[in-house]
Amino acid sequence: DAGVIQSPRHEVTEMGQEVTLRCKPISGHNSLFWYRQTMMRGLELLIYFNNNVPIDDSGMPEDRFSAKMPNASFSTLKIQPSEPRDSAVYFCASSLRSGFGYEQYFGPGTRLTVT
Amino acid sequence: TQLLEQSPQFLSIQEGENLTVYCNSSSVFSSLQWYRQEPGEGPVLLVTVVTGGEVKKLKRLTFQFGDARKDSSLHITAAQPGDTGLYLCAGANMYSGGGADGLTFGKGTHLIIQP
Repeated sequence: DAGVIQSPRHEVTEMGQEVTLRCKPISGHNSLFWYRQTMMRGLELLIYFNNNVPIDDSGMPEDRFSAKMPNASFSTLKIQPSEPRDSAVYFCASSLRSGFGYEQYFGPGTRLTVT
Repeated sequence: TQLLEQSPQFLSIQEGENLTVYCNSSSVFSSLQWYRQEPGEGPVLLVTVVTGGEVKKLKRLTFQFGDARKDSSLHITAAQPGDTGLYLCAGANMYSGGGADGLTFGKGTHLIIQP
């Protein structure tokens, strides 16, 4: 399996621009998670989906952030408008809902820089 | 809000030495996971512990879940330069609907093993 695929790997944009991050989960997985990682705050859960339905978006920092999962094989995280404090590495992870394991498989991340 | 505190934040030791990393919380988790992350990549799952008091071994790595399921430790014997990386603990709780829940991550321990 190719694993979780994220694109782009790097994104540099100017403040005020719209940014869209993309994720393709592992085939057959039914849960998808978006995380953000910074040195100061570590790895934070932004939102997660079960069977394409958003379950908990309490980690989304502001209304400028939105996430969608139109089907089982694709999800987007959008920031509009972007701000310098949004600069971070954004990870997508997927898992197969089962038992207590919650083993999550992470993509390589998208490094976002907002200038 | 559930928090996981990891200690130490940074650790640099010589090859061949032993070390222990701690992950503590005031909250109870259904399971606890340990991940290892290398620069430019996403975290990779090492182990999941589910039962209070559980001990799991992965070659030179020994993981223990506290009896009360609030804390965990990772012990590395005879550390090797290849063990260098960011070690993250993450707590999981079962979603009331029986689905996978987002993970709560500690900020991690940056480990450097010098040859």
